[in-house]
Amino acid sequence: QVQLVESGGGLVKPGGSLRLSCAVSGFNFGNYYMSWIRQAPGKGLEWISYISSTGTTRLYADSVKGRFTISRDNAKSSLFLQMDSLRVDDTAVYYCARDGGPRSWFDYWGQGNLVTVSS
Amino acid sequence: DIVMTQSPESLAVSLGERATINCKSSQSVFHGSNNKNYLLWYQQKPGQPPKPLISWASTRESGVPDRFSGSGSGTDFTLTISSLEAEDVAVYYCLQYYTTPRTFGQGTKVEIK
Repeated sequence: QVQLVESGGGLVKPGGSLRLSCAVSGFNFGNYYMSWIRQAPGKGLEWISYISSTGTTRLYADSVKGRFTISRDNAKSSLFLQMDSLRVDDTAVYYCARDGGPRSWFDYWGQGNLVTVSS
Repeated sequence: DIVMTQSPESLAVSLGERATINCKSSQSVFHGSNNKNYLLWYQQKPGQPPKPLISWASTRESGVPDRFSGSGSGTDFTLTISSLEAEDVAVYYCLQYYTTPRTFGQGTKVEIK
């Protein structure tokens, strides 16, 4: 069955960096767009980045543009999010999700990984 | 960006009663070329990721009970749970996928009265 498992979260100081990973199984990873979506504690959902199936197209929300970098390794069925210059308001559960593409939705989600930015 | 506004923020409904959640978009998410509304509803239970319920505003995803239904077009949409069950306690979100960035409503919490 489809599985997405995030890792790499934790506690980091403002201005610091973290790299999230998402290991995928159960579908042909290289055929799909993938996205990162986050949810601040007790808050709603915010899409933050997607990457096309080949990695040639990447898009970011304004809130993370210039600080976060999405990437993928199709040979290892893995998705990544490099987060630099982290701010307190980046504190959230980060989900990786299979993405049907720019005019589609996020159909399978990981369980999420908590990133806490605090001094 | 398209702003999605849900109402109410929360509601408490008795078991077996109807629950109705509204979602309004700041611009139309209807595409005339295919007559489709680019609107999806998610259900998120505590400690779990969101699960797609209804796509294209009114198409139930596989395995979703038929007590869940979606309606609306253009800018105004509704998710209805016809007869609330205990397992339906969750937060429900609408998502527009008409344009980038795709945006979510702020969520509606459904509880048992």
